[in-house]
Parts: sequence; C-alpha cells; structure tokens
Amino acid sequence: KAGVTQTPRYLIKTRGQQVTLSCSPISGHRSVSWYQQTPGQGLQFLFEYFSETQRNKGNFPGRFSGRQFSNSRSEMNVSTLELGDSALYLCASSPKWGDAYEQYFGPGTRLTVT
Amino acid sequence: QKEVEQNSGPLSVPEGAIASLNCTYSDRGSQSFFWYRQYSGKSPELIMFIYSNGDKEDGRFTAQLNKASQYVSLLIRDSQPSDSATYLCAVRRDDKIIFGKGTRLHILP
Repeated sequence: KAGVTQTPRYLIKTRGQQVTLSCSPISGHRSVSWYQQTPGQGLQFLFEYFSETQRNKGNFPGRFSGRQFSNSRSEMNVSTLELGDSALYLCASSPKWGDAYEQYFGPGTRLTVT
Repeated sequence: QKEVEQNSGPLSVPEGAIASLNCTYSDRGSQSFFWYRQYSGKSPELIMFIYSNGDKEDGRFTAQLNKASQYVSLLIRDSQPSDSATYLCAVRRDDKIIFGKGTRLHILP
C-alpha cells in the first residue's frame, strides 16, 4: 500500500506571495491532518479534515487554510507569506477522525520564504 | 507553561544501555499519549502509545504513564546506534494531538 505523498517536496517563495501544498493520504484513509514543524516551535497542529469537512483547527492565523476533496486528497494554502512561515509542512493521514493510533506522516514540504 | 515539555537533549547513551526519555504534560484532561521517532531529515513515525496508568511494553520499548504526576516516559532497552533520533512525545486532548519539541537521543557506539 502506498504511503502518504506530499507535493511539492521543496518550495521557495517570496514574502507576500501565496502557496498551495498538496497531500494524498494512504488509500482508504479519510482523515488528513496538517502540521507545521520549525526548530523553535516544534511540531504544531494546523487543522484536520475528514470527509471534506474541517473537524479541528489549531492556533494559526486565518492566512492558513485548507480543504479536502471527495477522494480525501487535501490541500493547504498560505496567503500573504511571511518570513516566519518558513518551515517543514507535514500532513498525516489516518482512517478515522481524531485517530492518532494509526496516523502516518508524509515526507513533508520544505517551504522557504525569502 | 508548555502543554507538553521534554528535555531537548542531546541525551547520550552508550550502546547496549537503557535510554530513558521523559515528558510532562500540563492538562489533566489529556486522554492518550504517544511517542514518535523522527530521524534527521525524515518525518515522524509512531512507535508507542499508552492511555492507561502503568507500563506498556513492545519489544525493546516500554512506555510508562503516571497520570497523577502527569508524566510519560519511554525506555529503550539494549540501545542501538539505529535508535539515534529525535523522540517526540505527544498527547491527545479534545481530539487534537499536541506535540512536545522532542528529545535528541544519541547512542554512542
């Protein structure tokens, strides 16, 4: 069974631009969670989608948004990029909503904002 | 106070010894507890979870939970160089997973 895939793997953007990241979950998994990982703050929860609905949200500004499609693939969008948005963005999929017992992470997208 | 706290390390342990990783959490409403391993440049992978007080063993790994003291620990027996990684403690609260910043473990050959 294929694992979680994320595209692109690396991205360089300029302040003020926007970016869209994509995540394809493991086949059969309906939940996708997004995380931001930085050396200073560690791994922080952004939001979770299940059946095309956002079920949970972390403490991030409204510039961070996401959506999930009917095939469970998810996208995350960050508008008006700031230098502090430079981070590794990880998505994780699981069969059920809020299920951390069977949560698998993708390889991540490394975003650099200049 | 951070919700989930871990010593950042690095924790250096000789090969073959027991590595002990600790984590404390602030919210008594936390329901379940997880340990993830993250190799440098890789994504986290779940290695253990525990939700009842006491010990849970899986191979060389033992997770320990003490809800009264609000701490979770991970013991790695017979440490191997391949255990060198960052170990992330996480707690589940209100259907969210809150991570600590991780402890870097270095196994000395």
